[in-house]
Amino acid sequence: NAGVTQTPKFRVLKTGQSMTLLCAQDMNHEYMYWYRQDPGMGLRLIHYSVGEGTTAKGEVPDGYNVSRLKKQNFLLGLESAAPSQTSVYFCASSIPGSAKNIQYFGAGTRLSVL
Amino acid sequence: EDKVVQSPLSLVVHEGDTVTLNCSYEVTNFRSLLWYKQEKKAPTFLFMLTSSGIEKKSGRLSSILDKKELFSILNITATQTGDSAVYLCAVEAPEYGNKLVFGAGTILRVKS
Repeated sequence: NAGVTQTPKFRVLKTGQSMTLLCAQDMNHEYMYWYRQDPGMGLRLIHYSVGEGTTAKGEVPDGYNVSRLKKQNFLLGLESAAPSQTSVYFCASSIPGSAKNIQYFGAGTRLSVL
Repeated sequence: EDKVVQSPLSLVVHEGDTVTLNCSYEVTNFRSLLWYKQEKKAPTFLFMLTSSGIEKKSGRLSSILDKKELFSILNITATQTGDSAVYLCAVEAPEYGNKLVFGAGTILRVKS
């Protein structure tokens, strides 16, 4: 039972380079989320999706784009990486509804931007 | 602005000790409070609390919510070295697709 899978696990970029982080879930969840985690801070929501073909901005969306072309995949893109985007990125998914909105997380992608 | 504050930021205990982790929150339109355990990688779900005063329990871990005073505690009894982790508290808010607002976490280290 894979759950939520993120690739890659680690990446080092130079300032200005672009990359895409992939999140895949096999639980048929409608909602998917991208968070970033920085030292001394809680996870912060970057973008989210409430269903296939839909995306929306979270609390810290600047410098990121997302796409949800298939229900099971949620991609996070950095068009021009900056050192401030050095962080650990987590993807999560959930079933909507107050009784079941437990978010399940992937193992994270550690990104360093030099 | 929605806010979740956890305390202490870190603590070190010996195996067998009992610990209490605290989580206070200020969230508009509260729906639920969740506890996660984060070891090296993914946060893993522990508890979801929606009703005040009802204790959730799983083995040596238990948690309770006080919606009047806006806080929750997570208790761990007879701690083991495998309990060493970061414990995250999060509150569900209806904005942003039912986003979770996270606290910074409590780092727990259990020494043998």
